[in-house]
Amino acid sequence: GAGVSQSPSNKVTEKGKDVELRCDPISGHTALYWYRQSLGQGLEFLIYFQGNSAPDKSGLPSDRFSAERTGGSVSTLTIQRTQQEDSAVYLCASSLGSAGGPSRPGELFFGEGSRLTVL
Amino acid sequence: GEDVEQSLFLSVREGDSSVINCTYTDSSSTYLYWYKQEPGAGLQLLTYIFSNMDMKQDQRLTVLLNKKDKHLSLRIADTQTGDSAIYFCVRYRTSRSGYSTLTFGKGTMLLVSP
Repeated sequence: GAGVSQSPSNKVTEKGKDVELRCDPISGHTALYWYRQSLGQGLEFLIYFQGNSAPDKSGLPSDRFSAERTGGSVSTLTIQRTQQEDSAVYLCASSLGSAGGPSRPGELFFGEGSRLTVL
Repeated sequence: GEDVEQSLFLSVREGDSSVINCTYTDSSSTYLYWYKQEPGAGLQLLTYIFSNMDMKQDQRLTVLLNKKDKHLSLRIADTQTGDSAIYFCVRYRTSRSGYSTLTFGKGTMLLVSP
């Protein structure tokens, strides 16, 4: 597709269940980011993949959160044993390279997000 | 305090100018950005400014950077109802791991009334 695609767009789950959120970045984009947007909290950085380098996991809030990026393309964010405070919109973004690169530096292309509600 | 701070809400009348303000703490930021999030749509880069610039103008948008005060502002001239959105102040930073990422403020909701 032309843009960043995320699925599911909405997910309602029970506390304690595991969830997987998927991101399909723009073809050719080497950098992929996951952010979390909670009401009144802005965007919280979670994890960043750049090419074949080890991901920057410094934003993951706990060891219940993990992410993979297979073949340098599709990424899956997994949340184990979900808690109510995990409820948020999870946003994926991709870019041609690391933030601050040439042309339009810092231009991340965002998907529309996956809204997670933990009951 | 927060890396990037901005007021949460601004209400203006159509045709007026809007000014959205932001302060940041890290003086080593090389780029500063404004991203826009419209209802039901994804975030989009609106404009950016290099840290060695004081001002950037792009049609109805004017970005002012005061490096001494670590203050960034976005002025929208002749604000239209279609400008109603959340505007995020964003800075380029290097994480603890040495990676380059963007740090977002909490966003300012701009409401433009007719």
